[in-house]
Amino acid sequence: DAGITQSPRYKITETGRQVTLMCHQTWSHSYMFWYRQDLGHGLRLIYYSAAADITDKGEVPDGYVVSRSKTENFPLTLESATRSQTSVYFCASSGPAANTGELFFGEGSRLTVL
Amino acid sequence: QKEVEQNSGPLSVPEGAIASLNCTYSDRGSQSFFWYRQYSGKSPELIMFIYSNGDKEDGRFTAQLNKASQYVSLLIRDSQPSDSATYLCAVQNTGGFKTIFGAGTRLFVKA
Repeated sequence: DAGITQSPRYKITETGRQVTLMCHQTWSHSYMFWYRQDLGHGLRLIYYSAAADITDKGEVPDGYVVSRSKTENFPLTLESATRSQTSVYFCASSGPAANTGELFFGEGSRLTVL
Repeated sequence: QKEVEQNSGPLSVPEGAIASLNCTYSDRGSQSFFWYRQYSGKSPELIMFIYSNGDKEDGRFTAQLNKASQYVSLLIRDSQPSDSATYLCAVQNTGGFKTIFGAGTRLFVKA
């Protein structure tokens, strides 16, 4: 029962580099989400997806790109990383089977941009 | 104005007391409301959800919803040191799955 996994768990990169954070879920959940968490801001929604090939912007989408070619994967790409994107990133999924709207979270990816 | 507002705290209560956490939201059409608990360095985990006006109890936890006032609260009775965590209020929109979180309230329960 792998659930939802994120990789890498820790990443240090430099300003201007491209970074991709991976998210994989084994539940066949329809909905997937990317959040970033910073002190004082809680979880802020970056992008979300209702199904394969359907994505939409959240609260803070600028500087990020997502794709969802397969239901189980939802990668998040920072095309040109900036220091302000230093954060902890959480992927989450939800599906009809949950029946409550509950989000199931991955363990998080801590990204540092130097 | 943020869509979901919480007092960031910290809220400090003695062991055995009632902890009261509050949340307001701006989208009047919101349908589903959640409380997640997050321990330091860990992922959020769901502790309560509520859809209808009124109270919902689960063990030591009670969620309260007042849609007219756009207000959600969480009461933790007989607080324990293990309840010390950040509590995140979350609201789902009328579409049913876009979920917005508040900034969270840090709770400390003193033994």
